[in-house]
Amino acid sequence: DQQVKQNSPSLSVQEGRISILNCDYTNSMFDYFLWYKKYPAEGPTFLISISSIKDKNEDGRFTVFLNKSAKHLSLHIVPSQPGDSAVYFCAASVPSGTYKYIFGTGTRLKVLA
Amino acid sequence: GAVVSQHPSRVICKSGTSVKIECRSLDFQATTMFWYRQFPKQSLMLMATSNEGSKATYEQGVEKDKFLINHASLTLSTLTVTSAHPEDSSFYICSARNGADNQPQHFGDGTRLSIL
Repeated sequence: DQQVKQNSPSLSVQEGRISILNCDYTNSMFDYFLWYKKYPAEGPTFLISISSIKDKNEDGRFTVFLNKSAKHLSLHIVPSQPGDSAVYFCAASVPSGTYKYIFGTGTRLKVLA
Repeated sequence: GAVVSQHPSRVICKSGTSVKIECRSLDFQATTMFWYRQFPKQSLMLMATSNEGSKATYEQGVEKDKFLINHASLTLSTLTVTSAHPEDSSFYICSARNGADNQPQHFGDGTRLSIL
């Protein structure tokens, strides 16, 4: 049972435009969400996070939106740059024990110059 | 800050060999480290949570005798794949958390394990 889903395996965006990556979850107990970026042969790099008490968090070109009623979060990158081309994973934190993460399957973003 | 180093980056060995992977937090102390496995084009699947000074907590379906985890210090956790077979070939990644539970996990660069 995939509790965190990224339904778009890939996305292509023109440089300078907005990239929107989506993530859906099923467990309403999740209270903390994160986005990671991963290049080939490297580990994921933390990008941005959001607590369930908020609906938006912004850090430079990256903004994460959380819609709890829809169990949906999205990552907006604007303006998109070629260096943003990578695989993006969303993750949800289980609010108990060691606060482990459950990851989505990832979306490969390609920003075209 | 919050750098996690994983070694080796790539291992190729014969079936039946045991392989040890190290995960180090270089500039912080980590009471908790995590070990993940990733199959091609799939998500990162948590295998176990490594706790300093105590036994690891394994996820359902992960064989603890197959994947031995030792977290002997606040900066080092090791994963040993015992008597590895071709089906154990995968990408293994560790992570560590710097500080409180609401702090993000920081990941190593992973180990590509290939069993011939």
